[in-house]
Formats: sequence, C-alpha cells, structure tokens
Amino acid sequence: DAGVIQSPRHEVTEMGQEVTLRCKPISGHNSLFWYRQTMMRGLELLIYFNNNVPIDDSGMPEDRFSAKMPNASFSTLKIQPSEPRDSAVYFCASSLDSMMNTEAFFGQGTRLTVV
Amino acid sequence: GENVEQHPSTLSVQEGDSAVIKCTYSDSASNYFPWYKQELGKRPQLIIDIRSNVGEKKDQRIAVTLNKTAKHFSLHITETQPEDSAVYFCAASIQNNAGKSTFGDGTTLTVKP
Repeated sequence: DAGVIQSPRHEVTEMGQEVTLRCKPISGHNSLFWYRQTMMRGLELLIYFNNNVPIDDSGMPEDRFSAKMPNASFSTLKIQPSEPRDSAVYFCASSLDSMMNTEAFFGQGTRLTVV
Repeated sequence: GENVEQHPSTLSVQEGDSAVIKCTYSDSASNYFPWYKQELGKRPQLIIDIRSNVGEKKDQRIAVTLNKTAKHFSLHITETQPEDSAVYFCAASIQNNAGKSTFGDGTTLTVKP
C-alpha cells in the first residue's frame, strides 16, 4: 500500500481564490482526519470522518472551510475564499477504527501558501 | 475537551545521552497515548504508543511511561543519535479514535554529535 496520498504537495494561490486539497486514505481504513499544522498553533484537528460520515467538525475554523468524503477512498478539504492566514501545512490521516489497531497514518501533507 | 501540555519545547543533548519529554493531559477518559516523530519537512510518524492498561512500554532505545493517576506520560530516548533529531509530539485520545488525538505543542530535539 502506498500509504495516505495527498495532492497537491504544494499549492500557492492568491487571496480570494478557492483551494481544494485532496486525500486518498489507506485502503480498508474507515476513519479519516484532516489536520492543519502551523508554527503558532501546532497540529490542529479540523474534522474527522468515520465510514465516510463527518463525526466532528468542531475544529473547522470558519464557514470558509468545508470537507467532504463522497466515498471510502477519497476526501477533499476546500477553502473558499482563501486568506493569507490559511497558509499552513494540511495533513490528512487515516486509521483503522478497531480495538486492536489504532495507529493513525499521515499523508505527506499539502503546503498551502496564500499570497 | 482534552488539553495536552508538553515540555520542554526545545531540548538539546549530546550524542549518547538520554532525552526525556513529558506530557500531561486533562481528560481522564483518554486511554491511548501515541508519540509521533516529525522530521523536517516530513509527515508525523508513530514511534511508540501506550494504552492505559499498562504503565510502561519499551522498544529498543525508546520507552514510554504512563501515570494515569497523575495524568502524565513521558517519552525516554536512551543512547541518543544525531538521527533522533526531530520534533516529537505526544498525543492523547480515546481508543478507537486514534487520529482524533489532541496533540501537544511538540518538542524540538537536537542531538549534537
């Protein structure tokens, strides 16, 4: 398995533009998480899905952020409109939600720069 | 919600010495405590984890201890090597939601050769 796959790896966009980040979890994993990492705020959980259903989106900073998981192998995180303060590394992670195996596997991340 | 505090924020040791990173958590329901290592420009990767039914776990040069009563847990790295240099994150979660972890702010460990 190639692990959690995120695209793009880097994104530079102008303020006000729409940004879409993509994630393919590890096959068979039923939980998916979106994290944001900045120097100031560390690793923050934005939203997580279980069996494609959003369970907790309390970490989503504001209405400009939205996330979807239309099927078990794909999720998107969208920012519209983007602002410079959204610049960060966005990680997607997946895990097998079971009693025996609880490790979360992170993707390589998407480095977003909003200018 | 859960609050995880991690200390120190930076740690510099000489190669061969030991390094200890400490974390405290607030939610007594948390029962799964992973530690992640993040090298510069890379993703966080799990290095060791501990569940609340044990007090200590060891894997070669890495060990983790847990005190549930005091709600704190620690990472111990012995015989440090330059390749141990990275940012280390502790986290706390309730089992079955491993990725829904609350992370500490991270410790930047530098091992000087």
